[in-house]
Amino acid sequence: EAGVTQSPTHLIKTRGQQATLRCSPISGHTSVYWYQQALGLGLQFLLWYDEGEERNRGNFPPRFSGRQFPNYSSELNVNALELEDSALYLCASSRTNTEAFFGQGTRLTVV
Amino acid sequence: GQQVMQIPQYQHVQEGEDFTTYCNSSTTLSNIQWYKQRPGGHPVFLIQLVKSGEVKKQKRLTFQFGEAKKNSSLHITATQTTDVGTYFCAGPRGSARQLTFGSGTQLTVLP
Repeated sequence: EAGVTQSPTHLIKTRGQQATLRCSPISGHTSVYWYQQALGLGLQFLLWYDEGEERNRGNFPPRFSGRQFPNYSSELNVNALELEDSALYLCASSRTNTEAFFGQGTRLTVV
Repeated sequence: GQQVMQIPQYQHVQEGEDFTTYCNSSTTLSNIQWYKQRPGGHPVFLIQLVKSGEVKKQKRLTFQFGEAKKNSSLHITATQTTDVGTYFCAGPRGSARQLTFGSGTQLTVLP
């Protein structure tokens, strides 16, 4: 069975551009979480989707947004990119109240 | 803000020494999960504890869930260089049961 897949693995953008990151959860998982992890730091919670709806968002500006599609895959959009948005973006999927499985992440570099 | 706290944030040990990280939640958790993230990798699920006072072992790793189900610990006996990484605890919190991660403990093992 395929794990959580994220694309692209690496993304280089210039300041002010928009970035779109994608995540395909494990089959049967309805919850998708997005996290930002700056180099050497912890997991900063961005967004949580479950059953197609946004359930919660972390303390990030509105230029960070996303959605979950009917097949439970998800997209994270970051508008008006800033240099400090450079980080590893991790997606995780889970069933309710069970362990989360993480993708390999998308390394976003803003120059 | 972070409602699942972990201490310490960083820990350097000599190979062969023991290591413990502690996780504390402000509210009761239905379960506690532990994850390990190797340098350059993504968090990987290690174990889940469900019962009050539960203790589980995986080789040199011992996991405990507190009696009040608000705290947990991970103890590694005789650390090895392969134990290097960041250890996260996580638990479902709130009425929506959002999986919430702790701030992580970054372990360095000196040979």
